Formats: sequence, structure tokens, C-alpha cells
Amino acid sequence: KQEVTQIPAALSVPEGENLVLNCSFTDSAIYNLQWFRQDPGKGLTSLLLIQSSQREQTSGRLNASLDKSSGRSTLYIAASQPGDSATYLCAVTFYNQGGKLIFGQGTELSVKP
Amino acid sequence: EAGVVQSPRYKIIEKKQPVAFWCNPISGHNTLYWYRQNLGQGPELLIRYENEEAVDDSQLPKDRFSAERLKGVDSTLKIQPAELGDSAVYLCASSPRLGGRNTDTQYFGPGTRLTVL
Repeated sequence: KQEVTQIPAALSVPEGENLVLNCSFTDSAIYNLQWFRQDPGKGLTSLLLIQSSQREQTSGRLNASLDKSSGRSTLYIAASQPGDSATYLCAVTFYNQGGKLIFGQGTELSVKP
Repeated sequence: EAGVVQSPRYKIIEKKQPVAFWCNPISGHNTLYWYRQNLGQGPELLIRYENEEAVDDSQLPKDRFSAERLKGVDSTLKIQPAELGDSAVYLCASSPRLGGRNTDTQYFGPGTRLTVL
């Protein structure tokens, strides 16, 4: 079964700290991997999309890496701010799944002022 | 550009009642998805449409759930009758292109939070 797992489930850090969120997946045959942000009561916002041929993507203070062979991705957030507090979801598009996203459980991030 | 629109945003019903959710995708997006998100979990796909055709409904509980996407634009997801375990957030998403190799980003609506009492 193709699965996506995220650890930790929750993380609390002081403002200004650099942090890493982890995502692992069970099958290396993927089209892409995406990181989403979800604020309470809101939908999902795509942060970064990494195609299977890429190793990383960067947007501002965010950097996402992809290692297909080990089935892992990390989302690095530099100089965290209270506004970064949200749930971060990793989602994978596996081969032969017709574009269906398989999501991890999410990491709930709290950045304390 | 308007995003994915969903209504209602919140719905509270008693068990065994019917309920319907509506989604209007981003203009021009051919693929539409309905996901269900339980508390503390990631979303899980219920059904995927390419234009008006349901191409993946393997996760849709067909005894009580139904969906349609008439004219390949708006979509409606219905539950009849609702059960306590149906309480969740129902998310609609859309993406521009078609096909199993779709590597486009999916754009999500705000969701409908359903509470079944």
C-alpha cells in the first residue's frame, strides 16, 4: 500500500529558529511531491511542488528537498515567525494513481513569539 | 482570479438526514477532486472528475454518497443518509489539465465542515 508519513505530529519552536519537517513515502515511483500549508478552518495552500526529476525547490524562507531512493522529503523553514504557525501537509502523486494526492497526517507547527 | 468556491462553509445535521455540498472550480480547470479530511488527518480522495466523467471513485462509499459534475464545471457531493462517522471537512480541489500523468498543482477550496449529531 502506498503511504505517506509525517513526523513529528506537532512541533513548537521559539521565533527565529530554523526548523525541519519530515515526510516519508513507501514507494519511490512518484510523479511529484508537494508541501501544503493549512490554517485553521481554511483550505490547503500549495507551498512547493517538487517533480520527480528534481532534488529541491526553494521559495523565500522555505526549502524542500526530495530523495526518491530513500523515500524522504524535508521542508526547511528558516528564521521561523509566528505567522508560520499552521499545519504543514506533505502529499505525493504516485505512478498509476491518476493524479491522486496521497497525504501524510500533517505536522502542526506553533512558533512562539 | 477567483479560487475554488465551496458552499456551505459549515453544516450541522442530525444523523439519517441528507446533506449536499457544492463546488465551483477555477475557471478552465478540467479536473475536479473531492476529498474528505478527518480531524487530525490528511485529506483522502473520494472522487476525481475529468470534465464530466468520474474517472476514479474507488474511495467513494457508494451506498450513501453520490456526486455529479454536470457540464463539466460545478460539482455536487451528496450524502444520504448521513451517519455520525461522516463528520469531517469536505474539500474540493481543481487542476488545469487532464490525464493520469497530471503533475499540476491542485488548488483547494476552503472546505465544508460537516457535523452530524
